Amino acid sequence: DAGVIQSPRHEVTEMGQEVTLRCKPISGHDYLFWYRQTMMRGLELLIYFNNNVPIDDSGMPEDRFSAKMPNASFSTLKIQPSEPRDSAVYFCASSSPGQGGTGQFFGPGTRLTVL
Amino acid sequence: QKEVEQDPGPLSVPEGAIVSLNCTYSNSAFQYFMWYRQYSRKGPELLMYTYSSGNKEDGRFTAQVDKSSKYISLFIRDSQPSDSATYLCAMSWNSGNTPLVFGKGTRLSVIA
Repeated sequence: DAGVIQSPRHEVTEMGQEVTLRCKPISGHDYLFWYRQTMMRGLELLIYFNNNVPIDDSGMPEDRFSAKMPNASFSTLKIQPSEPRDSAVYFCASSSPGQGGTGQFFGPGTRLTVL
Repeated sequence: QKEVEQDPGPLSVPEGAIVSLNCTYSNSAFQYFMWYRQYSRKGPELLMYTYSSGNKEDGRFTAQVDKSSKYISLFIRDSQPSDSATYLCAMSWNSGNTPLVFGKGTRLSVIA
């Protein structure tokens, strides 16, 4: 199994630009989570999906952030416009109902720097 | 008070030592408890997964949960330099399919 795949691995952009992060969950996993990791706040949930439907987006910081899951094998997290305070590592994770007892599996992350 | 508290360290031990890592939490609704290992510039890797109170052992790793004290621990026996990483505790109230609440992580260095 290839595990959770994220792209790009690194992104450097200027303030005001649009940023799109991509995630491919593990095949067969019905749950997909987006987390953000910073030194100050640690790992925090942004949004999660079940069967491509957003379940809880209360962690999304503001309207500049949006996430979609058009099908079971692809999700995007978009920031528009980006700001320096958005600089962080963004992780995607997936899990399966049948494997709920085994936790969530994380991708390698996208390191975002907004100048 | 944060929901999950974890000493950030850093913790430095000699090779072969027993390592004890801990987290406390405030939300009594948490039922599922996990430990993740994160190497520098990598994603978190699931190490241990436990439900409710009790112990779970996997090789050199032992996870303990004491719900009455709202306290969880991870023990690493015969620690190796390859164990040097940041260890994150995580917990949720309804299986691994609900959002995880993480501690901020403890940075561990095992010195050869």
